[in-house]
Amino acid sequence: NAGVTQTPKFRVLKTGQSMTLLCAQDMNHEYMYWYRQDPGMGLRLIHYSVGEGTTAKGEVPDGYNVSRLKKQNFLLGLESAAPSQTSVYFCASSYSTGTGNTIYFGEGSWLTVV
Amino acid sequence: SQQGEEDPQALSIQEGENATMNCSYKTSINNLQWYRQNSGRGLVHLILIRSNEREKHSGRLRVTLDTSKKSSSLLITASRAADTASYFCATDAGVAARFGAGTRLTVKP
Repeated sequence: NAGVTQTPKFRVLKTGQSMTLLCAQDMNHEYMYWYRQDPGMGLRLIHYSVGEGTTAKGEVPDGYNVSRLKKQNFLLGLESAAPSQTSVYFCASSYSTGTGNTIYFGEGSWLTVV
Repeated sequence: SQQGEEDPQALSIQEGENATMNCSYKTSINNLQWYRQNSGRGLVHLILIRSNEREKHSGRLRVTLDTSKKSSSLLITASRAADTASYFCATDAGVAARFGAGTRLTVKP
């Protein structure tokens, strides 16, 4: 099993450009998450999904949109990239909620907005 | 806001020594987990402790939980250079887990 796969791994964007980060999991998990990780800030939750067709806002949702059209995929979109969105983005999935089950992480996507 | 806060922010020890890192949180929890992150990689689950447990072991890892003090500690015994990584605690925050800023552990050979 591949687990959680993120693409692309690295991307440089110009301010104002748009892009989509793709996340796929092959563990049949209901729950999927997008986090961003910045130095000294730990991981902050952007958006999450509790099942196919559902999405919800996390701690820092502004400037991002998400979609969960298929159970195995969770897409994170930046409509108009800003330098403040330079970060490392992690997708994750779990069988159930909170910390009652192991959360599986992708390897990260490094995004630089210039 | 982050639910769990790790302490210290950074820890440097010699191979063979024990490493202890702490996590404090603000609200009641059902479970607490510890994760490890090697540089440039994703987080990997280490251990889960439930709110009705006080201590749990897994190999060289020992986790304690004190719900009255809202704190947890992770002890790595007989550390190895390969243990060099960042360690995060994760606590319940509604549906999704919340992570602290982590402790950066460096184990010198």
